[in-house]
Amino acid sequence: DADVTQTPRNRITKTGKRIMLECSQTKGHDRMYWYRQDPGLGLRLIYYSFDVKDINKGEISDGYSVSRQAQAKFSLSLESAIPNQTALYFCATRPSGEGTEAFFGQGTRLTVV
Amino acid sequence: AQKITQTQPGMFVQEKEAVTLDCTYDTSDPSYGLFWYKQPSSGEMIFLIYQGSYDQQNATEGRYSLNFQKARKSANLVISASQLGDSAMYFCAIAGGGSGGYNKLIFGAGTRLAVHP
Repeated sequence: DADVTQTPRNRITKTGKRIMLECSQTKGHDRMYWYRQDPGLGLRLIYYSFDVKDINKGEISDGYSVSRQAQAKFSLSLESAIPNQTALYFCATRPSGEGTEAFFGQGTRLTVV
Repeated sequence: AQKITQTQPGMFVQEKEAVTLDCTYDTSDPSYGLFWYKQPSSGEMIFLIYQGSYDQQNATEGRYSLNFQKARKSANLVISASQLGDSAMYFCAIAGGGSGGYNKLIFGAGTRLAVHP
């Protein structure tokens, strides 16, 4: 099983619908992240959390919300999806510490029509 | 605030040659860490190398080395002896210390590398 699991892997939804992307990790890491990837823009940070009581906005949080239900689970919600939220979304985890690498899920390809 | 700039949208290199991928950064944190990741066409993110801002020596990992020039705020990735399997997107990232506690990890726009036989 993957250390960082994202569900669903692919999703097509309609404009205005609420959608939740889920992420779970088995690595026991404190820090979790949500990014979106768009061609030419790289990975942009949406939200991040370093424990269940801590949620921080990233570079592009408008239109998104998150929930850290447990150390191992970090969900991303689009309250009312719009077409420009069509992107590849990545969840990542990272242990505490200075030089620790991030471990990524396989990504969720979201299309809003 | 932290920012990563990768000015090369695309690069190509001949197999077995060396290539340098540019990365410049901006941060107000007194200490920080710099990372490079590889994303092949299959989509997964693969960690390559890390450099701490107080490290005296440039980081190396196999064929990967990081040319860290702190005064210029640059952290270029050097890939020696390129292989066809090195064809991928490459991302530079920064995590700042200070009050942020190295928690916030910011990526650049990436450079697409093509290795030609």
